Formats: sequence, structure tokens, C-alpha cells
Amino acid sequence: GQQVMQIPQYQHVQEGEDFTTYCNSSTTLSNIQWYKQRPGGHPVFLIQLVKSGEVKKQKRLTFQFGEAKKNSSLHITATQTTDVGTYFCAEYPGTASKLTFGTGTRLQVTL
Amino acid sequence: GAGVSQTPSNKVTEKGKYVELRCDPISGHTALYWYRQSLGQGPEFLIYFQGTGAADDSGLPNDRFFAVRPEGSVSTLKIQRTERGDSAVYLCASSLMQSGSSGANVLTFGAGSRLTVL
Repeated sequence: GQQVMQIPQYQHVQEGEDFTTYCNSSTTLSNIQWYKQRPGGHPVFLIQLVKSGEVKKQKRLTFQFGEAKKNSSLHITATQTTDVGTYFCAEYPGTASKLTFGTGTRLQVTL
Repeated sequence: GAGVSQTPSNKVTEKGKYVELRCDPISGHTALYWYRQSLGQGPEFLIYFQGTGAADDSGLPNDRFFAVRPEGSVSTLKIQRTERGDSAVYLCASSLMQSGSSGANVLTFGAGSRLTVL
């Protein structure tokens, strides 16, 4: 079945450094969503990308959807300790169906 | 309610026992999802309801797992003859998205029910 892989599995950065997580698929993705899960918490929706090459920004977060719609990335500029958590991408085929989550990237930020 | 409510938050049971986990979605949300998350893993899809019917139950691992949503609101995930491998956090999510609609399908997750099978 559809597998969505994320790299890296884990990243530890100093506060103020940038961070990027990548989401890769062997097949074309219809739509991609990103979620953040704080330690001990539940996934919280961040954004959905639909179009090939789409770029969306939310303050220090930049989300990209690849031209071939087989990969996506989330970039955080100047990380803060509040960015700590696990970031998941999820494939959404559209028209009210299930999401298939990626393997996640755990981000640790220290002062 | 304001959010997705799941009970119990924690359940410890013995191998072989029967367990029920309850999910109360956001009022008016027609779609309801059950996921299972093991430590260090991403959420794994189990079943999805649109209204009262199971639109996709392809993620249920075997016939020990069953879920219902009789009135299109509250859902119960039922696990028979629990095994140690069933230990995980069971997450419920709901969304406004209806079948045939396009656009962002934003899932709102509950806090989860942590199941431990001894």
C-alpha cells in the first residue's frame, strides 16, 4: 500500500537554528497535509497542500509541495523551544477519505 | 462539545479481556476516524465513518476489532480477546468533510485512549 516516508527520523537543534523535514512517496500524492504532535499530545492540523509546486507560509513555517507531487517539505526558520514535537505529513486522497500518515520527524530544540 | 472527547484516557486490562473505547466527536462533524499510534510511530488508520456507516474499515487488523456509530455521533471501538500487541494509544478524530466534497479535510483529534494489555 501507499507508504509515506519522512526524513530525518529525529533532529536536535539549538534554538535559533533552522530545521527542515522531508516527506517522500514513491507514487503521486493527491494532497498532502502536515500535523504537529507535541510530546504527550495529539496531532494538530497545520496545513494542506494541493497544487504541484505549491508553497505556503505560516509565520516561521514554510511548506512546499514538489513539482511532481511525490514529495513535500516543512521548513522552520529560527526554531524556538515551542517548536518541539513530532511533525507528520499525511497523504489525503480527497473527497472525504482516510489520511495515511508518514513516519514522522521528531524535533528537539535546546537553548 | 468544543473538542473531540475520548474515554477512558487510560485503560489497563489483562490479556484476553474485552475493551470498549468511546469517542464523542465535535458536534456536527459527519466524519469520524479511528487511528492507533504506537510509541515512536505515526498514527495508523483503523476505520472511518461517514454518518452512521463505516465508509472504510480496511485498517482494522483482524476480526477482534469492531467499531460502531449507531446514531452518527458517538462511536465505540470494541476490542475482543485483547492481546499484548494491542497496547497503543487509540486516537479518534472528526471532521466536517462530507462524501463527495473537495477542499481541506481538517481532522481534529481527541487526546486519545491509552490501552495497556498486560
